[in-house]
Amino acid sequence: DAGVIQSPRHEVTEMGQEVTLRCKPISGHDYLFWYRQTMMRGLELLIYFNNNVPIDDSGMPEDRFSAKMPNASFSTLKIQPSEPRDSAVYFCASSRQVGNTEAFFGQGTRLTVV
Amino acid sequence: AQSVTQLDSQVPVFEEAPVELRCNYSSSVSVYLFWYVQYPNQGLQLLLKYLSGSTLVKGINGFEAEFNKSQTSFHLRKPSVHISDTAEYFCAVTLNTGGFKTIFGAGTRLFVKA
Repeated sequence: DAGVIQSPRHEVTEMGQEVTLRCKPISGHDYLFWYRQTMMRGLELLIYFNNNVPIDDSGMPEDRFSAKMPNASFSTLKIQPSEPRDSAVYFCASSRQVGNTEAFFGQGTRLTVV
Repeated sequence: AQSVTQLDSQVPVFEEAPVELRCNYSSSVSVYLFWYVQYPNQGLQLLLKYLSGSTLVKGINGFEAEFNKSQTSFHLRKPSVHISDTAEYFCAVTLNTGGFKTIFGAGTRLFVKA
């Protein structure tokens, strides 16, 4: 398996623009997570899905952020409109279960909003 | 409140020296414990995990960690580090609260010097 695949690896956009980050989880993994990593706040869980259904989105910072998982092999995280403070590395991760099972992380998308 | 504290933000060490990266957690419920490593421009990878049983767990790359329930600690150790161990290390705790919630520590940057 190729692991968790994220695209793009880098994104630079202007404030106010819409940004869409994409993720393909490992086949057979029922859980998908979106994390944000910044120097100030570390690694934060934004939202996670189980069998394509959002389970906990309490970490989504604002209504500008939305996430979807239309099928088992694809998820998106959208920011509209983007702001400079959204600049961070966004990670997607997947796992077979939660609890006693580790998550497998993608390489991340480095987002810069100017 | 549940929390994970990594006591050192940076640990410089000479090559072939031993190292210990400290992690303490606070939780009123049962936990699963993980250590992840993040190399530059990469996602997180699992080093090792403690689920139950023997409190000393061994992971990849010669790392090991010991779970101490009374001290609520899960310190990571390696007897002899290599330059290639230079990376950021994250302690993570998954709480069994009915559902599962994973909390990551702020990370410890290990810098191995020649």
